[in-house]
Amino acid sequence: EDKVVQSPLSLVVHEGDTVTLNCSYEVTNFRSLLWYKQEKKAPTFLFMLTSSGIEKKSGRLSSILDKKELFSILNITATQTGDSAIYLCAVDSYQGAQKLVFGQGTRLTINP
Amino acid sequence: DGGITQSPKYLFRKEGQNVTLSCEQNLNHDAMYWYRQDPGQGLRLIYYSQIVNDFQKGDIAEGYSVSREKKESFPLTVTSAQKNPTAFYLCASTRDFSSYEQYFGPGTRLTVT
Repeated sequence: EDKVVQSPLSLVVHEGDTVTLNCSYEVTNFRSLLWYKQEKKAPTFLFMLTSSGIEKKSGRLSSILDKKELFSILNITATQTGDSAIYLCAVDSYQGAQKLVFGQGTRLTINP
Repeated sequence: DGGITQSPKYLFRKEGQNVTLSCEQNLNHDAMYWYRQDPGQGLRLIYYSQIVNDFQKGDIAEGYSVSREKKESFPLTVTSAQKNPTAFYLCASTRDFSSYEQYFGPGTRLTVT
C-alpha cells in the first residue's frame, strides 16, 4: 500500500527561527513529490521534485529530495507569521494517470 | 480569471439525505479529482476523471458517486450510504492526466447531523 508520512505533525516556533519539515514515502511507480501549503482552504503549490539531490528554492523556502532514502525535506528560514499553515507533502504514484498520495500534513505555527 | 470554483462553501444536511457538491473549472483542464480531508489527516482521493464521460474510483469511493458529462464540471454526490460524510471536500484539476501540478478549488465543508 502506498504511504506518505510527515513529521512532525505539529510544530510551534518563534518568528525568525528556521524550520525543517520531513516527508518519507513508500509508493509504487514514483514519478514526483510535491509540497503544498494550506492556509485556510485550498492548498497552494510550492514545489515539485523529481530528481534526487537537486534543491528547489523559492525565497526563504527550499526543498530537496533523496530518492535512495525515500524522503524529502522542506526548509523555511527566517520564518514569519505568514508562514503559519499546514504543509502537505504528496507523492505522485503514477498509474496511467496522476494519483497523488498525501501525508497527514505538518501544522506549523509561527509566534511573533 | 481562470480557476476552480466549488459551491457551496458550507453545506448542512440531515442524515439519510443525498447531497451533491459542485466543482467547475475554466482552465480547460482534462483531468479532475475529488478529495476528502478530515481533521489531522491528509487528503484522501475519492474519485478522479481523466476525460469526459470517464472516471475511476480512488482510495475511498464507497458511498460516493460522480459524473463527468462536461469537461468543465465534475460534481460529487455524497450518498446516504457514506457512513461518515462530515468532512472538508476539495476538488482539483490538472491540464491532462500526465501533468504534475494539481490546482485546487476552495473546498466545501459538509456537515451531516
